Amino acid sequence: AQSVTQLDSHVSVSEGTPVLLRCNYSSSYSPSLFWYVQHPNKGLQLLLKYTSAATLVKGINGFEAEFKKSETSFHLTKPSAHMSDAAEYFCVVSNGGSNYKLTFGKGTLLTVNP
Amino acid sequence: DTEVTQTPKHLVMGMTNKKSLKCEQHMGHRAMYWYKQKAKKPPELMFVYSYEKLSINESVPSRFSPECPNSSLLNLHLHALQPEDSALYLCASSQVRGDSNQPQHFGDGTRLSIL
Repeated sequence: AQSVTQLDSHVSVSEGTPVLLRCNYSSSYSPSLFWYVQHPNKGLQLLLKYTSAATLVKGINGFEAEFKKSETSFHLTKPSAHMSDAAEYFCVVSNGGSNYKLTFGKGTLLTVNP
Repeated sequence: DTEVTQTPKHLVMGMTNKKSLKCEQHMGHRAMYWYKQKAKKPPELMFVYSYEKLSINESVPSRFSPECPNSSLLNLHLHALQPEDSALYLCASSQVRGDSNQPQHFGDGTRLSIL
């Protein structure tokens, strides 16, 4: 069984300040982890993925995430928020195998204030 | 621009209508998915096709009927829907099913409203 917990349903930051979106996971397998972003009335866009290579993963638009096995965490960060970062963010774990399914967190809404 | 194209972007239909949602990808992916997403919720998996064969049906009501005519196309046929079926319907694709390292690529969805 696998699960994902996004620790904040809503994060609000000022433009130019750092962003931290927190995600904890549990998985019976060695997991693959993803962060997706969803802007209003849009589909999900892949930000980055962890697949057991480097633990610090760089993604698009200046985002990065660090896989910490001891803490079962995969937090998403960005040094400086931009207004265009305002969106819903989903942390996702994949179990692979013959029953490949994605397990989504409930999402974190990021608000960026001018 | 997304690499998975969904049409139409918006659809309003009555409970007695029959309509279809279409999804197309040209990335050579062999796994395709339908999801349903309600407002302020994560997507919920409906169907998975692998090599044009239905491999997962998440106990979806029969008023939703998927079809995969070829490796690039995925349809979702709708009939006698209920108001609670109003949602954003997302299509996704990935290189193969079962490889957890391969991410799914999503389209922008069809916003469906049932009157």
